[in-house]
Amino acid sequence: AQSVAQPEDQVNVAEGNPLTVKCTYSVSGNPYLFWYVQYPNRGLQFLLKYITGDNLVKGSYGFEAEFNKSQTSFHLKKPSALVSDSALYFCAVRDYLYNFNKFYFGSGTKLNVKP
Amino acid sequence: GAVVSQHPSRVICKSGTSVKIECRSLDFQATTMFWYRQFPKKSLMLMATSNEGSKATYEQGVEKDKFLINHASLTLSTLTVTSAHPEDSSFYICSASERVSSSGNTIYFGEGSWLTVV
Repeated sequence: AQSVAQPEDQVNVAEGNPLTVKCTYSVSGNPYLFWYVQYPNRGLQFLLKYITGDNLVKGSYGFEAEFNKSQTSFHLKKPSALVSDSALYFCAVRDYLYNFNKFYFGSGTKLNVKP
Repeated sequence: GAVVSQHPSRVICKSGTSVKIECRSLDFQATTMFWYRQFPKKSLMLMATSNEGSKATYEQGVEKDKFLINHASLTLSTLTVTSAHPEDSSFYICSASERVSSSGNTIYFGEGSWLTVV
């Protein structure tokens, strides 16, 4: 079965510092991995995705993620955090085998960026 | 990116009544739409997958007679919570996938709807 895990419920970082939000995956077949962000009382916004190609994927708002096959990880990163980046972040994997339109989400990581 | 509109954003209804939530893809055709439920500080729970012109596929444990899903067109899906109870109070989010199937298809989400049953 496809799944992703986000080992950290919360990440705290000071503004201007680099941030990393962790995600590991377990898939059968090729991994199609995504990151979404959710602001309070809002829906999810797409940040970036990895399908194939370069392991470093660049997305919206200065975020990037690195696909690491040997470590089965897809960590979200940003070189310099902003207070406005504070939100809930979800990693997701697409079901490659049975239902291509079905996504499996991680439990979410709350990012707190302090001024 | 593609836009998915969800309405209403907030609704309060009395226990025992039904309430309908709409999900529209504004600038693309969505053959498939998804309905999620999110509990406070929790991840998204997929309730059902809605395919245009056919019956929805419900996830295990989701009552299909209580959560009626209709996907009548390529741009509209509706979720009707029937005979609502306070425990149905939650944040409901829809998402939509574009019609053209490719490995890179992205799911786009609506803004969510807060349902409060009193």
